[in-house]
Amino acid sequence: QKEVEQNSGPLSVPEGAIASLNCTYSDRVSQSFFWYRQYSGKSPELIMSIYSNGDKEDGRFTAQLNKASQYVSLLIRDSQPSDSATYLCAVNTGNQFYFGTGTSLTVIP
Amino acid sequence: DTEVTQTPKHLVMGMTNKKSLKCEQHMGHRAMYWYKQKAKKPPELMFVYSYEKLSINESVPSRFSPECPNSSLLNLHLHALQPEDSALYLCASSLTQGHEQYFGPGTRLTVT
Repeated sequence: QKEVEQNSGPLSVPEGAIASLNCTYSDRVSQSFFWYRQYSGKSPELIMSIYSNGDKEDGRFTAQLNKASQYVSLLIRDSQPSDSATYLCAVNTGNQFYFGTGTSLTVIP
Repeated sequence: DTEVTQTPKHLVMGMTNKKSLKCEQHMGHRAMYWYKQKAKKPPELMFVYSYEKLSINESVPSRFSPECPNSSLLNLHLHALQPEDSALYLCASSLTQGHEQYFGPGTRLTVT
């Protein structure tokens, strides 16, 4: 079983819709959780970090963490074509940092 | 400022060449990382330096040799690479291991 799993997609949503990206992890001692956005040919860009259960909002982005279910998600409200990218979930277990395989998101104008 | 810089942006090298990749940050971060990324794959961790000491080596072939001269700089020395080593090489830094990582723009390496 992989440490971090994501649906690879591709996920397509119309402009203005909510995009929902999901991630599960296997190590219960995981301490911190991150979402990165990566445009084609570019490096990953940190967009959200979350450390405790519940929701964390930053502009159009909301990260949700449920440690009991070992689940973290990212919601993108009012999706824009510029949000089209690969979204990487990352989990830190204290000493190791694991990336999921990424979900490709396309926002259709 | 959350900037990590990497040089060069692009590098083409033959299999007998020796070259180095450089990474620099001035955020006071004490953990620095090298990743390798192939197309349509997630970043693959190679090395971690924590407080200028090698903390993690993910069984990387010896043709890759990391070096951390000081807390702001990280180098990756390359020697006798293979064509399959062609990839995007990413440097990242974080306050300490476990904190969010900030990535540099990467070096696109092509081995001919």
